Amino acid sequence: DQQVKQNSPSLSVQEGRISILNCDYTNSMFDYFLWYKKYPAEGPTFLISISSIKDKNEDGRFTVFLNKSAKHLSLHIVPSQPGDSAVYFCAASFIQGAQKLVFGQGTRLTINP
Amino acid sequence: DVKVTQSSRYLVKRTGEKVFLECVQDMDHENMFWYRQDPGLGLRLIYFSYDVKMKEKGDIPEGYSVSREKKERFSLILESASTNQTSMYLCASQVGQGVGTEAFFGQGTRLTVV
Repeated sequence: DQQVKQNSPSLSVQEGRISILNCDYTNSMFDYFLWYKKYPAEGPTFLISISSIKDKNEDGRFTVFLNKSAKHLSLHIVPSQPGDSAVYFCAASFIQGAQKLVFGQGTRLTINP
Repeated sequence: DVKVTQSSRYLVKRTGEKVFLECVQDMDHENMFWYRQDPGLGLRLIYFSYDVKMKEKGDIPEGYSVSREKKERFSLILESASTNQTSMYLCASQVGQGVGTEAFFGQGTRLTVV
């Protein structure tokens, strides 16, 4: 039972344009959401997070949007750069109690020059 | 900066061997995790620990055990390695009592069981 789903295995975007990565979750009790970026042969690195009391959080070129009613979050990268090419994982967790992260399957983003 | 260090980047082991994967973190974090990453499946939680000598099963604990004798070290043990345990193994640590905190990952261990 996949509680966090990323339905697009891959995404290709032209350099300078906007990249939009999507993620859906099924457990309405999740109240903290994160995005990680992963290069081959390296561990994931934290990008940005959002708690369920917000619907948007920005950090430089990265913005995460949360739609609680739809159980959907998205990561926007503007403008996209070649160094953004990586696999992106969304994750969901609980602010209190067990804080283990539940990950989606990942989306491979390729930025084309 | 938080540092999570896994003892090996690459390992090749034979079927039936007992395998130890070691992970050390230097930030006095309470929580530590072991995940495996497989294509199309994302990161799946094997075990996690929220304190010394405390552990809980994750989503796929079969064939694995863990040990946490000291706060900074979390070991994953494959009791009898099998080919379906060939994978990328990722260790992570996290502050235990926080208002939503990220986990920090090690560089990963690519394990091949032949």
